[in-house]
Amino acid sequence: RKEVEQDPGPFNVPEGATVAFNCTYSNSASQSFFWYRQDCRKEPKLLMSVYSSGNEDGRFTAQLNRASQYISLLIRDSKLSDSATYLCVVKRTTDSWGKLQFGAGTQVVVTP
Amino acid sequence: AAGVIQSPRHLIKEKRETATLKCYPIPRHDTVYWYQQGPGQDPQFLISFYEKMQSDKGSIPDRFSAQQFSDYHSELNMSSLELGDSALYFCASSLGRLIEGEDTEAFFGQGTRLTVV
Repeated sequence: RKEVEQDPGPFNVPEGATVAFNCTYSNSASQSFFWYRQDCRKEPKLLMSVYSSGNEDGRFTAQLNRASQYISLLIRDSKLSDSATYLCVVKRTTDSWGKLQFGAGTQVVVTP
Repeated sequence: AAGVIQSPRHLIKEKRETATLKCYPIPRHDTVYWYQQGPGQDPQFLISFYEKMQSDKGSIPDRFSAQQFSDYHSELNMSSLELGDSALYFCASSLGRLIEGEDTEAFFGQGTRLTVV
């Protein structure tokens, strides 16, 4: 079983709609969580970190559920430019250093 | 701000040749990750280094090797290249150490596009 799992999608979303998807992690020692966005054939770029209390950045809301070991990303009022692959990244700690684990990504396609 | 630098950006090699990809992490970052992304595929983790030692290994073929140097830059060496090695190769860097107040996010380079003909 992969340490970080995501629904690959694609999630087909009408423009203006809301879409949400999760990422599950298997290692309870995981400490830090991030969402990255990757556009076609370009490098992944940090979208937002995920904090324990949940956080919001404009139309994007991230949540962390430690009990069930998953994080979520919600996109409101979807724009065509939101079409991308969203990568979940989990960092777990071992002694004094951390190790990043990447999910395989969830593809979102926003349609007119 | 300085970002992750990868070189070369594009590389064309023939089958059975060798290639060396380089990655220069963000200053002070001590951890480097290598990913391979084939056409229409998700990034596949190859290998990572922390403080010049291999920290994790993914689906890296035996024909490939990598190392991290004293200045924290990393090189991915690929030998006996095959057509299937044609892909985009990303490098990412982060702080491996947990330092209070420091960001621990990973930042990616723009990638090296390798074409094997």
